[in-house]
Amino acid sequence: AQKVTQAQTEISVVEKEDVTLDCVYETRDTTYYLFWYKQPPSGELVFLIRRNSFDEQNEISGRYSWNFQKSTSSFNFTITASQVVDSAVYFCASLEYGQNFVFGPGTRLSVLP
Amino acid sequence: GAGVSQSPRYKVAKRGQDVALRCDPISGHVSLFWYQQALGQGPEFLTYFQNEAQLDKSGLPSDRFFAERPEGSVSTLKIQRTQQEDSAVYLCASSLIGRGQGSDYGYTFGSGTRLTVV
Repeated sequence: AQKVTQAQTEISVVEKEDVTLDCVYETRDTTYYLFWYKQPPSGELVFLIRRNSFDEQNEISGRYSWNFQKSTSSFNFTITASQVVDSAVYFCASLEYGQNFVFGPGTRLSVLP
Repeated sequence: GAGVSQSPRYKVAKRGQDVALRCDPISGHVSLFWYQQALGQGPEFLTYFQNEAQLDKSGLPSDRFFAERPEGSVSTLKIQRTQQEDSAVYLCASSLIGRGQGSDYGYTFGSGTRLTVV
């Protein structure tokens, strides 16, 4: 069975600080996908990134970067030089092939001006 | 449409009332999912449709919950005799391919319907 843990319930940072959101996952399958979604106050889930289990290469997209380490079952998300618009709830999720999303409980990020 | 549309955006129901929540997926999308998101928690799977077939309803919490997608496009989630514990945001997502039929898991989520049972 899949399980996703996001130990940080809430994080507050001051604008321009870097912040890392932690995600630890459990899965029995060798083929799986990991995701990060952003949920702003408007409620929709905004897709940020998808990684498959065979690709541990880290990724950078603008101010966002992701560190995928199978050895520690972690898929952490870093925002560099945070901005107020980054304030939202961030969800890490896993998806075993042919199954359904399993979301973590989310981390509420507040970026203060 | 360009995205997944859900209506109503907000719904307040008296306990015991029946409600119907609508999801309009992206045109042509084969897969449609319903998720329930309780306050302060992550979304949890309710049910899955591939076209008009409901292939997985393992997440429906009780027989008061019923979902349909009769023509393989619009879907309705119905909750009968609502209870306070049904208060949550109900999210719909759609995907171009069937679950487990490919490696491109591109899902688009709607903005959800916030149901409050009083």
